[in-house]
Amino acid sequence: DAGVIQSPRHEVTEMGQEVTLRCKPISGHDYLFWYRQTMMRGLELLIYFNNNVPIDDSGMPEDRFSAKMPNASFSTLKIQPSEPRDSAVYFCASSPDMGGADTQYFGPGTRLTVL
Amino acid sequence: GENVEQHPSTLSVQEGDSAVIKCTYSDSASNYFPWYKQELGKRPQLIIDIRSNVGEKKDQRIAVTLNKTAKHFSLHITETQPEDSAVYFCAATTVNAGNMLTFGGGTRLMVKP
Repeated sequence: DAGVIQSPRHEVTEMGQEVTLRCKPISGHDYLFWYRQTMMRGLELLIYFNNNVPIDDSGMPEDRFSAKMPNASFSTLKIQPSEPRDSAVYFCASSPDMGGADTQYFGPGTRLTVL
Repeated sequence: GENVEQHPSTLSVQEGDSAVIKCTYSDSASNYFPWYKQELGKRPQLIIDIRSNVGEKKDQRIAVTLNKTAKHFSLHITETQPEDSAVYFCAATTVNAGNMLTFGGGTRLMVKP
């Protein structure tokens, strides 16, 4: 398996533009997580899905952020409009549902820079 | 909800020495405790994990111990090498948390040659 795949790996955009980050989880994994990582705030959970359904989006900073999972193999995180303070590394992670707690496997991340 | 505290935030050791990173958690129902290593510019990667039904687990130079009574768990790295330099994160979750991990704040480990 190729692991969790994210695209793009780097994104540079200007303030006010729409940004879409993409994630393909590991095949067979039922959970998908979106994180944001910055030096100041560390690793923050934004939202997670189980079987394509959003379970907890309490970490989404504000209405400018939205996430979707239209099927088991694809998810997007959209920021519209983007702001300089959104600059961070965004990680997607997936996890199997084995009936108990299990670990998460992270993608390579998308480094977002908003100018 | 769960709260995970991690100490120290930075740790500097000489090559060959041991390093210990400690985490405490608040939810007594937590039953799964993974440790991740994140090298500069890379993704967090699982290095070892432990479940609440065991007290210790080893994998070569890495070991994790769990004290359920005190609600703390620790990562031990022996014979440290420069390639062990990275940020280490502990995490905790419960069986009812939907695999949602609560992460500690991270420890930056520097191994000096």
